[in-house]
Amino acid sequence: DIQMTQSPSILSAFVGDRVTITCRASQSISTWFAWYQQKAGKAPKLLISQASNLESGVPSRFSGSGSGTEFTLTISSLQPDDFATYYCQQYQSYPYTFGQGTKLEIK
Amino acid sequence: EVQLVESGGDLVQPGGSLRLSCTGSGFTFSNYEMNWVRQAPGKGLEWLSYINHSGRTIFYADSVKGRFTISRDNAKSSLYLQMDSLRAEDTAVYYCARDPIHCTGDSCYSGSFDNWGQGTLVTVSS
Repeated sequence: DIQMTQSPSILSAFVGDRVTITCRASQSISTWFAWYQQKAGKAPKLLISQASNLESGVPSRFSGSGSGTEFTLTISSLQPDDFATYYCQQYQSYPYTFGQGTKLEIK
Repeated sequence: EVQLVESGGDLVQPGGSLRLSCTGSGFTFSNYEMNWVRQAPGKGLEWLSYINHSGRTIFYADSVKGRFTISRDNAKSSLYLQMDSLRAEDTAVYYCARDPIHCTGDSCYSGSFDNWGQGTLVTVSS
């Protein structure tokens, strides 16, 4: 199975900050990779697919990059609505696997 | 508006069975691959199972293989998860997730989940 490791596990930041979350795959997954946002008590929401394709309706302050084994999610200027938990996912092969999550907290 | 609504979650004893349902609306259900994903209390996301649009191709996570069965009824726009031999560690919120196929030229792929249900809670406890 492909292991996905996110860092950091918890990230504290101010509104307006630029933040980056990293996800590493245990083997190359090309760009078969997605980012999700989950708020407490809610279902996950797809933000980015194919490592860098922003889903329709997702604010442009979100961006994704990477290929192979290292990927990043960047939020250019944090807004109050962005404080949530973020998960990465590989879909290069079954079983699909998620990272353990990064909780983005208000500082 | 695309909607996925899960149902069937309940409190069940260890060793028991439960059948979850997920009904889709606002889109042509038969055109989409579907998945089940779960989230134990306070934990991360765990992919469980995939079924293609026709129901002929199925995959499972090792943690549920041989105990859980995914199926679908396209005429009813519904996805199912039959869960047998339930264990305490199966306690979680269970989500169904839509898995669109993207095609560019001759190349098609899927695997990112663009719509999720609200989840249904399964509690396995005596």
